Amino acid sequence: GENVEQHPSTLSVQEGDSAVIKCTYSDSASNYFPWYKQELGKGPQLIIDIRSNVGEKKDQRIAVTLNKTAKHFSLHITETQPEDSAVYFCAASIGTGGTSYGKLTFGQGTILTVHP
Amino acid sequence: GAVVSQHPSRVICKSGTSVKIECRSLDFQATTMFWYRQFPKQSLMLMATSNEGSKATYEQGVEKDKFLINHASLTLSTLTVTSAHPEDSSFYICSARSSYNSPLHFGNGTRLTVT
Repeated sequence: GENVEQHPSTLSVQEGDSAVIKCTYSDSASNYFPWYKQELGKGPQLIIDIRSNVGEKKDQRIAVTLNKTAKHFSLHITETQPEDSAVYFCAASIGTGGTSYGKLTFGQGTILTVHP
Repeated sequence: GAVVSQHPSRVICKSGTSVKIECRSLDFQATTMFWYRQFPKQSLMLMATSNEGSKATYEQGVEKDKFLINHASLTLSTLTVTSAHPEDSSFYICSARSSYNSPLHFGNGTRLTVT
């Protein structure tokens, strides 16, 4: 099955700095890669996603890049703010259609702390 | 849009009792819902995939007779933890999508504590 590795496990930055979180996946059939932000005691919130037919996607201060050849994708947060502090999870989907589409395998998570 | 509501947010029950958790898609019809379990400071582990009108598909190692899943309508799926034990204490999170190509959205989870 799919295996997703995420690094680093913890990341501490100063407000205004950039933060980068990296993930690798094992299944070359995976074609959908979302990123989720999880605050304490809450469910994950989708912040950005990318499909395998695109190499980069940006939404304001957040961007995601995908390298299909190397099977890795990264989350970039610029101009970080204290409210960006949370646990971030990457994920990869298994399969390309049918009832299994959208079945996500998650990375281990990154605890991001943004110091004011 | 794409709001998933999960209830209750917290529940405490005694060992041996059963607990039902509801997951509702509020503004869309969910063809598929997924149930995850999360231990403290760990990632989300998929328990089962639930398709409306059919039996749930459980991941390896998840006891289907212990974690009963029902997806009777396009907006509601339930997870029942039967004969709960302290080791079942965890954070259970549901997710839903409206179609095969739409993003997956999560509920806010249910913190289950079995005493």
